[in-house]
Amino acid sequence: DAGVIQSPRHEVTEMGQEVTLRCKPISGHDYLFWYRQTMMRGLELLIYFNNNVPIDDSGMPEDRFSAKMPNASFSTLKIQPSEPRDSAVYFCASGRDTYNSPLHFGNGTRLTVT
Amino acid sequence: ILNVEQSPQSLHVQEGDSTNFTCSFPSSNFYALHWYRWETAKSPEALFVMTLNGDEKKKGRISATLNTKEGYSYLYIKGSQPEDSATYLCAFRGGSNYKLTFGKGTLLTVNP
Repeated sequence: DAGVIQSPRHEVTEMGQEVTLRCKPISGHDYLFWYRQTMMRGLELLIYFNNNVPIDDSGMPEDRFSAKMPNASFSTLKIQPSEPRDSAVYFCASGRDTYNSPLHFGNGTRLTVT
Repeated sequence: ILNVEQSPQSLHVQEGDSTNFTCSFPSSNFYALHWYRWETAKSPEALFVMTLNGDEKKKGRISATLNTKEGYSYLYIKGSQPEDSATYLCAFRGGSNYKLTFGKGTLLTVNP
């Protein structure tokens, strides 16, 4: 079990550029989540998928953010255009669809927008 | 908007001290309460998933209790060690959909 794999680990980009974050969940997990961690808000849920279908995207800040899950082993979170206030650590997590299953987190992508 | 509160925000203890912190959550529509341990520069790791009122879980020196009727959970660490230094997060799951709402965590620092 390789765990949840995120790439890149660090991303530095200029304001206005497109940023794509990638996630490979643990094989067999039904759910995939994208979280953002900031000092002000802590860990906030952006969007989550069940069996590759987006279930709740109410946490996505605005239209500049979009997420896709084209298959069970891959998801992307895209920010276009990026802004300095998007700077944060973005975590992907996956889990099984049982009542007592925990989330398994990736190592996160630290995004810096200058 | 669900309110998941953790207290205290931060805590400094001496090696060997026992300590505890609190997570409060909505008492209605309870499904599960998660605890995670988050070390600096790493990702959160699950400690416990608690589902029943009165549940008590234990892993080594760390244990947790759950009161769903009044909406709180306690995390206890017995004989704290420097390697216990981390942020401890709780997360509330209300209803059968798998949406977790996290508290902001308690940052524990154990001084040697």
